[in-house]
Amino acid sequence: SQQGEEDPQALSIQEGENATMNCSYKTSINNLQWYRQNSGRGLVHLILIRSNEREKHSGRLRVTLDTSKKSSSLLITASRAADTASYFCATNNAGNMLTFGGGTRLMVKP
Amino acid sequence: EPEVTQTPSHQVTQMGQEVILRCVPISNHLYFYWYRQILGQKVEFLVSFYNNEISEKSEIFDDQFSVERPDGSNFTLKIRSTKLEDSAMYFCASSESGGGGYGYTFGSGTRLTVV
Repeated sequence: SQQGEEDPQALSIQEGENATMNCSYKTSINNLQWYRQNSGRGLVHLILIRSNEREKHSGRLRVTLDTSKKSSSLLITASRAADTASYFCATNNAGNMLTFGGGTRLMVKP
Repeated sequence: EPEVTQTPSHQVTQMGQEVILRCVPISNHLYFYWYRQILGQKVEFLVSFYNNEISEKSEIFDDQFSVERPDGSNFTLKIRSTKLEDSAMYFCASSESGGGGYGYTFGSGTRLTVV
């Protein structure tokens, strides 16, 4: 089964607007993590939310987790052109591995 | 901010050749990983390494792959006989705890092109 599917696949917004990306998964998890990837670069850890947590904030980022719906959302408030990147959710459900989704490509226009 | 360092950043190799991708994880991290991302596809788990042995591996990590921690700082991925389909970005990562409980730190990747 596929784990960690994001939607939308692509999102284009104006600077200053909020961006919301969603992630769905199929199996129970220990934690869910969001990563950012600039084109051709490495993955940067943004935020981790544990299965017993419902919401977490870090700066302009807000992550929610609904384990009953097996879904998570990442909200970036007051977006900037520098937020342009691909955003991935990744789930840890057993052991040490992460299972990544296909990502959302975010374009923030100045 | 501590970093995971990967070398080389790009590698081009002939099909059938052996390649070694190198990584220096964060010094106080105990868990090490290799992931790969074929162009336009998802990031895929290859292997995790803890206490000088493989703790998990995926179906992708077959006999052509091996990992090693030859000294206290380096972590390597060897691909014995490269195939065209091994062309991908390979990411090394490390974490303080298992399960990525505090998140993983990824390196910038090695882009491997097999020709």
